[in-house]
Amino acid sequence: GAGVSQTPSNKVTEKGKYVELRCDPISGHTALYWYRQSLGQGPEFLIYFQGTGAADDSGLPNDRFFAVRPEGSVSTLKIQRTERGDSAVYLCASSLTGSGQGYYTDTQYFGPGTRLTVL
Amino acid sequence: DQQVKQNSPSLSVQEGRISILNCDYTNSMFDYFLWYKKYPAEGPTFLISISSIKDKNEDGRFTVFLNKSAKHLSLHIVPSQPGDSAVYFCAGYGGSQGNLIFGKGTKLSVKP
Repeated sequence: GAGVSQTPSNKVTEKGKYVELRCDPISGHTALYWYRQSLGQGPEFLIYFQGTGAADDSGLPNDRFFAVRPEGSVSTLKIQRTERGDSAVYLCASSLTGSGQGYYTDTQYFGPGTRLTVL
Repeated sequence: DQQVKQNSPSLSVQEGRISILNCDYTNSMFDYFLWYKKYPAEGPTFLISISSIKDKNEDGRFTVFLNKSAKHLSLHIVPSQPGDSAVYFCAGYGGSQGNLIFGKGTKLSVKP
């Protein structure tokens, strides 16, 4: 596809359950980012991948959150023992080369997000 | 502690007039700024950016101004069109990390 895709678009789960959210970046983009957007807030950074490795995971709120990108393309955000406070829209973005190259970052292109509701 | 602040949660403008969206930042390490536009049920879409070595960047109806000494930037849309109605996010970037720091957004309504 032409853009970043995310599945599912909506996920409703019960407190304490485990969820996986998937992101398919733009083909050829080496950098992938996860953000979380709560109601009335802007997107908040969670984790950034450069290729297969997590270059910066400083935004993950606690050890219930984990993300992988085993082949440097698709990424999965995993949340264990979900809590009601985890309810938000989870956004994924990708960019061509990412940052850390000594100059400003490439433009990040966002997917439509996954709306997670924890009951 | 908000590093990027958009103090106006909403703005209403008449079609054809100028829309001015404001953004303030506190992190002096930011060296690149972006504006994103977001429609309901869609992800943010990149609109325009500016490097800290510039004070103005223009793209069609959209112009971003940067005042580094005041740590302030603004997005001007002229003329405003009803299709511009959306939430606009300002974001800052600085250093070697990959993440953008976003403001809370301003909801723009352009009335026909």
